[in-house]
Amino acid sequence: QQQVKQSPQSLIVQKGGISIINCAYENTAFDYFPWYQQFPGKGPALLIAIRPDVSEKKEGRFTISFNKSAKQFSLHIMDSQPGDSATYFCAASIGGYQKVTFGIGTKLQVIP
Amino acid sequence: NAGVTQTPKFRILKIGQSMTLQCAQDMNHNYMYWYRQDPGMGLKLIYYSVGAGITDKGEVPNGYNVSRSTTEDFPLRLELAAPSQTSVYFCASGDSYNSPLHFGNGTRLTVT
Repeated sequence: QQQVKQSPQSLIVQKGGISIINCAYENTAFDYFPWYQQFPGKGPALLIAIRPDVSEKKEGRFTISFNKSAKQFSLHIMDSQPGDSATYFCAASIGGYQKVTFGIGTKLQVIP
Repeated sequence: NAGVTQTPKFRILKIGQSMTLQCAQDMNHNYMYWYRQDPGMGLKLIYYSVGAGITDKGEVPNGYNVSRSTTEDFPLRLELAAPSQTSVYFCASGDSYNSPLHFGNGTRLTVT
C-alpha cells in the first residue's frame, strides 16, 4: 500500500518555466513533509520541508503548498533551470522514530 | 566532515553468495536507516535503528539483517543473495525529531 502517492513520474519543463510536482497522503498522523532532491549517482538531499500547521513555505525558487483538509501537498519550482534537473521525492513522517515514507519520485528534466 | 560513508560503491554477487554493506556516519546521529531504491518504486525502508543495540524492521526486511553495536556503524547483511535484491542501497542518518535525513551516496548491487 502506497502511503504517499506522487505524480507525475516524469516531467519535462522549458527553462524559465514552472515545475509542479504533486503528492497525496492517507495517514493523518503524518506531521512532517520533506522534499528531497537526488542527482544521478548521489544520495537524496533535503530540499525543503513543511509541517501541517503551515499552508505554504518558500525558499528561494522552491515553494511547498500544503492542503491539510485535502491531504495533499505540492512542490513548485519557479524559473526552472537546467541545473534543477534531478529526481524529486516527496516524503512524510511521524515524529519520534522518524520512519520516513517516500513517494515514488519524479524525474525532472529542464530543457534550454 | 565526511557525513555518511557507504562502501563498496558497486558490487556484483552470484546467487546464493552473501555480503555486508558498510555504513558509517560521523555526525553522532542516533537514528540510522537502510533504504533500497528501485526504478519507479521510490525508496523502501529495509531496517532502521534508533540507537546502539536497537534495531527494527522496516517495510521490506526479508533477506536482510542488521546490527548496531556502535553509534557510528550500521552494516547491512545479505544472506543467500537473490536476483530480487538487485538494487541501489542507501544508508541514512538523522539526529532528532523531524530533522532531515542525511544520505550516503549508495551501493549499487547486482545479483546474477
